[in-house]
Amino acid sequence: EAGVAQSPRYKIIEKRQSVAFWCNPISGHATLYWYQQILGQGPKLLIQFQNNGVVDDSQLPKDRFSAERLKGVDSTLKIQPAKLEDSAVYLCASSLVPGANEKLFFGSGTQLSVL
Amino acid sequence: GQQLNQSPQSMFIQEGEDVSMNCTSSSIFNTWLWYKQDPGEGPVLLIALYKAGELTSNGRLTAQFGITRKDSFLNISASIPSDVGIYFCAGRTAGNNRKLIWGLGTSLAVNP
Repeated sequence: EAGVAQSPRYKIIEKRQSVAFWCNPISGHATLYWYQQILGQGPKLLIQFQNNGVVDDSQLPKDRFSAERLKGVDSTLKIQPAKLEDSAVYLCASSLVPGANEKLFFGSGTQLSVL
Repeated sequence: GQQLNQSPQSMFIQEGEDVSMNCTSSSIFNTWLWYKQDPGEGPVLLIALYKAGELTSNGRLTAQFGITRKDSFLNISASIPSDVGIYFCAGRTAGNNRKLIWGLGTSLAVNP
């Protein structure tokens, strides 16, 4: 079974530029997450989708971050404009069903460096 | 945001030694998850716990869901070099707002 696919693996941009990340979850997984992981910290949830609807985006900096999952499968996360503090690994995760027994499966992440 | 207290922050051990790490919270959780993250990769689920008092093993790994539902521990027996990595605990809160809260990780180094 294929895992969660993410691209690109690495991205280097200058501050104020825009960047986009792509995620393809495990086939059949209805729930998709975007996490931000700053070096030395645990993952921080940015946004959670259930199919193509947003369940939780309370920690998404909406003035610069946006995400969509138009057909309930692939998802993109965009940052515009980027700031230095956005340097982090952006992880995508998916799960089969939400709930108490939910298990998250992660992609390898996109490492973003903002110069 | 809210985070768990995970300890120790880092460990450096000799190959063959046993390892123990734990997570505590001021909130009650109804799920505990333990993940391992290798450099340049996303976290990989090791063990999932769903009931207070539950003790679950996965090979050389054993984890327990604390009776108070506010803590969990992970033990690794007879460590080997490939155990190197960062171990994260994550707890899911009870109730309607079932957020997954993450610890800051325990970095494990194994000296062969």
